[in-house]
Amino acid sequence: NAGVMQNPRHLVRRRGQEARLRCSPVKGHSHVYWYRQLPEEGLKFMVYLQKENIIDESGMPKERFSAEFPKEGPSILRIQQVVRGDSAAYFCASSPAGLNEQFFGPGTRLTVL
Amino acid sequence: AQSVTQPDIHITVSEGASLELRCNYSYGATPYLFWYVQSPGQGLQLLLKYFSGDTLVQGIKGFEAEFKRSQSSFNLRKPSVHWSDAAEYFCAVGFLSGSARQLTFGSGTQLTVLP
Repeated sequence: NAGVMQNPRHLVRRRGQEARLRCSPVKGHSHVYWYRQLPEEGLKFMVYLQKENIIDESGMPKERFSAEFPKEGPSILRIQQVVRGDSAAYFCASSPAGLNEQFFGPGTRLTVL
Repeated sequence: AQSVTQPDIHITVSEGASLELRCNYSYGATPYLFWYVQSPGQGLQLLLKYFSGDTLVQGIKGFEAEFKRSQSSFNLRKPSVHWSDAAEYFCAVGFLSGSARQLTFGSGTQLTVLP
């Protein structure tokens, strides 16, 4: 059984470029969460999605960040016009409906030059 | 707003010694409680969780945690540490109902194990 898959594992972007992070949840899981981990810090919640719907985006920066979880395909976290402060590890987690446990992927480590 | 405090940033223990990592949370109701472990460059692995019932929870790799409502604590313990336990440990709380399903994490405790 495959767990949560994230790609790429490492991503390097220059300031002003766009970053696209992909997350494939555990098969059968309909809930996806994105978290950001800055150096030397814990994970911070960004957004919670179900298929085709954003349920809670209270942790998302107001500008440049967006997320989607389409009916088909992986969830995408998109960061436009990246800045150095966006350098972090971005983790995706998934859970099935009705189960109060989140399964985490290995993360995407974004470096902005 | 809910918050999680892990007061120990870094703990060093000798292999074979016992371990206790502290976690305190702040919220009016009893949340769901989790401990995760993260090895360098890796994702998070769930060690154990508490939802309700018995306040002493057994997890993987020989870890256990005890929920103490009166102290708002959920400390992680292991009677005998192995060198492979060296990692960063995160306590997390969540309510996971309706639209409020996010987890709130502590800042982590880095565990070093001496031979």
